[in-house]
Amino acid sequence: DVKVTQSSRYLVKRTGEKVFLECVQDMDHENMFWYRQDPGLGLRLIYFSYDVKMKEKGDIPEGYSVSREKKERFSLILESASTNQTSMYLCASSLFGAQPQHFGDGTRLSIL
Amino acid sequence: GQQVMQIPQYQHVQEGEDFTTYCNSSTTLSNIQWYKQRPGGHPVFLIQLVKSGEVKKQKRLTFQFGEAKKNSSLHITATQTTDVGTYFCAGPGTGRRALTFGSGTRLQVQP
Repeated sequence: DVKVTQSSRYLVKRTGEKVFLECVQDMDHENMFWYRQDPGLGLRLIYFSYDVKMKEKGDIPEGYSVSREKKERFSLILESASTNQTSMYLCASSLFGAQPQHFGDGTRLSIL
Repeated sequence: GQQVMQIPQYQHVQEGEDFTTYCNSSTTLSNIQWYKQRPGGHPVFLIQLVKSGEVKKQKRLTFQFGEAKKNSSLHITATQTTDVGTYFCAGPGTGRRALTFGSGTRLQVQP
């Protein structure tokens, strides 16, 4: 069974800090994704990666960057955290293309 | 860009009643996927439909893909409290290797 592991369930940071959210998958999936989920707004795609060192912007990339140095790991970086980035962040992976995705448990991030 | 819309946003039913959520895409989809997210949990893949007019069943859940491959529905017969959660549809985004998710339908079941 596919396992997608996010490094933290809950995280509290301060405005202006650089924040790293880590995600690891154990099934050799090509694609990895970062979403944020806010009440009433569904799942919004921030960035995704279809190969090591390859990335593509999603629908709301502003204020975020990503890193994929190894196939199994995909990091989301908040360069200078702001309060409007308080949200639930979900990582997902899929075998390739737009195939079914497997999600991690999510990180609830609060920026104070 | 592509849009995937779901209705209703929210539905509250009595246990035993049926429930349906509808998904509409602004573009033709090569496939449509459905996910369920329990309260406090993460989305879990339920099913993928590929063929025009396809109907698939999982116990009390019936999934349909429209003839034009632009809409889909999920119907739950005789809801149970275990059906509580948010149901999302998702389709391949136009020109990219990612999914576009609908906004979801939150189902509440009263015992």
